[in-house]
Amino acid sequence: AQKVTQAQTEISVVEKEDVTLDCVYETRDTTYYLFWYKQPPSGELVFLIRRNSFDEQNEISGRYSWNFQKSTSSFNFTITASQVVDSAVYFCALICFTGGFKTIFGAGTRLFVKA
Amino acid sequence: GAGVSQSPSNKVTEKGKDVELRCDPISGHTALYWYRQRLGQGLEFLIYFQGNSAPDKSGLPSDRFSAERTGESVSTLTIQRTQQEDSAVYLCASSPPPPGELFFGEGSRLTVL
Repeated sequence: AQKVTQAQTEISVVEKEDVTLDCVYETRDTTYYLFWYKQPPSGELVFLIRRNSFDEQNEISGRYSWNFQKSTSSFNFTITASQVVDSAVYFCALICFTGGFKTIFGAGTRLFVKA
Repeated sequence: GAGVSQSPSNKVTEKGKDVELRCDPISGHTALYWYRQRLGQGLEFLIYFQGNSAPDKSGLPSDRFSAERTGESVSTLTIQRTQQEDSAVYLCASSPPPPGELFFGEGSRLTVL
C-alpha cells in the first residue's frame, strides 16, 4: 500500500531555531515522486518542492532544505533560522504508479514559530 | 485568471438542502482533485479525475456526494441533503499530467446550519 506518515502533529519553536519536519513514505514502486506543500494561516496551499526517486541529492533553497533518503524511506524538510512567517501546516505527499498516480498526502505537521 | 478558481467562496445553507460547488482548473491541466478540510484538520481526499480515465471516487464519504467533470475543464461537486457534519472547506486542485504538482484553489467554505 502507498502511504505517507508525518508523525509530528504539531511543533513549536522560537524564532531563529532550526526545525526539521519528518516525512516517511511507503511504496513498492521504484519510480515515485515526493512533494512538500505549505498551507499558511491564510489557507491556500502552495507547492514547495518535488523530488523523483532517482535523485537523492539534497536540495537547498534559501532557508529551506530537503533530505531524501531512500534507505529509510524518508523525505525530511528542514527550516533553518525559522521565522514567524514560517508558521503554517506543512504537508508531505507521494505520487506513484501503484497508487494510480494519485497524490497521496500525509496528515500534515502544524508548525508554530514564536517571536 | 491563471489560477484555480472556486465558487462560491462561502456558502451557508440549511440542513437538508442540496449544494453545488464549482471548480475551474488551470487550462491544460489534466488532473483535478477535490478535498475536504475540516477546521484544524488535514486534507481528506474525495475524488480524483485524470484525463478521460474513470474517476477515482474512493474518497466520497457517502452517496450524498457526487462530482462531475466536463472533459478537462470545469468540475462540480454536489452534496445532497446536507448535514451539519458536511461543514468544512472544500478544496479543489488541478495539475498537469502526473507527476505534476498540485495547484490549489482558495476553497469553498460550506456551513450547514
